[in-house]
Amino acid sequence: GDSVTQMEGPVTLSEEACLTINCTYTATGYPSLFWYVQYPGEGLQLLLKATKADDKGSNKGFEATYRKETTSFHLEKGSVQVSDSAVYFCALSSKSNAGKSTFGDGTTLTVKP
Amino acid sequence: EPEVTQTPSHQVTQMGQEVILRCVPISNHLYFYWYRQILGQKVEFLVSFYNNEISEKSEIFDDQFSVERPDGSNFTLKIRSTKLEDSAMYFCASRTEIFSGNTIYFGEGSWLTVV
Repeated sequence: GDSVTQMEGPVTLSEEACLTINCTYTATGYPSLFWYVQYPGEGLQLLLKATKADDKGSNKGFEATYRKETTSFHLEKGSVQVSDSAVYFCALSSKSNAGKSTFGDGTTLTVKP
Repeated sequence: EPEVTQTPSHQVTQMGQEVILRCVPISNHLYFYWYRQILGQKVEFLVSFYNNEISEKSEIFDDQFSVERPDGSNFTLKIRSTKLEDSAMYFCASRTEIFSGNTIYFGEGSWLTVV
């Protein structure tokens, strides 16, 4: 079945540092890939998505590129802020799996001033 | 922007009691889902619902759980006799079609505490 593996956390960075959170996946067919963010005490918010190979999703300074050859979708940001502190979930969704989303374990990011 | 809304945002219930979590999906969406997130753990799929019937369910979704779309707008998750281990955040989600690229939209979640 489908699965998503995320880089283990937690990750602690200083403000303005570079961020990379690794995500790799296993899926049948051609899934869509997503990053969700969950701020403390809140629900899941879609951060960005990519629907086919070599697509780059981007939002709020975050980027991730759909790499079919390495089955990866790493999340990157060049300069993190304290307000980026949250849990980040990588997820995939495929038509062959009734459209449901499969999530990674989540990576907790803490950014210190 | 349209959104999925869930009520209640937080409910505390005694073990053995029945709980109903309510969701209003986005109005033109056709596929509906419930997910669960135990504190500090990953988001887990519970059930998907389409055309007024369950299309898929996980091992977690046992006979204690049921879903219903009673009136064409609400989508409910019922837990018949809650257990301590049912304490979790429950997320409702919806989408239009399931073609590749179609985004699934999540609600803010309902936090259930069983005591």
